[in-house]
Amino acid sequence: DIQMTQSPSSLSASVGDRVTITCQASQDISTDLNWYQQEPGKAPKLLIYDASNLQTGVPSRFRGSGSGTDFTFTISSLQPEDVGTYYCQQYEDLYTFGQGTKLEIK
Amino acid sequence: QVQLVESGGGVVQPGRSLRLSCAASGFTFRTYAVHWVRQAPGKGLEWVAVISYDGNIKYYTDSVKGRFSISRDNSRNTLYLEMNSLRTDDTSVYYCARTPAGRGAFDLWGQGTLVTVSS
Repeated sequence: DIQMTQSPSSLSASVGDRVTITCQASQDISTDLNWYQQEPGKAPKLLIYDASNLQTGVPSRFRGSGSGTDFTFTISSLQPEDVGTYYCQQYEDLYTFGQGTKLEIK
Repeated sequence: QVQLVESGGGVVQPGRSLRLSCAASGFTFRTYAVHWVRQAPGKGLEWVAVISYDGNIKYYTDSVKGRFSISRDNSRNTLYLEMNSLRTDDTSVYYCARTPAGRGAFDLWGQGTLVTVSS
């Protein structure tokens, strides 16, 4: 089974800050990696697919990069509506989510 | 509109069974693989099961193999999850979600249905 490790598990940042979350796979998954945002009490929402592609309708301040085992998710300028928990997910071998990163506004 | 709507959740005793449904609308259901993903209270997301667009291929996470069964009825645009021998650690919000053909991203999710396993 492929394990996904996200860091940090939580973070607090100010509006306008650049925020970075990392995700490491336990084995090479090429670019079979997606990122989701889950607002409190809601279903997850797809933000980035195939490591670096922005889902239709998602603001351009969200960016993904990486391949192999190491991936990065970045919000270039944090907005109040970005609060929530972010998950990475691999699909190279079935499906596995990272444990999540809870993002709060200072 | 394009949506997935789950139903069937509730409170059930350990060892009993429950069937969840997920009704799809606004898109061509029979062309998508569909999944169940769950989230225990205060915890992260856990993929549970997938069924191919035609129902011929099914995969499960290890913890539900032999207890849960995924199925679909493309004539009714509906996905199902039959859950047997329920355990307290199956308590979760259960989401259905779709993946487009050839892709591994869950691009549409339902609102979720809560299953509570408790005596």
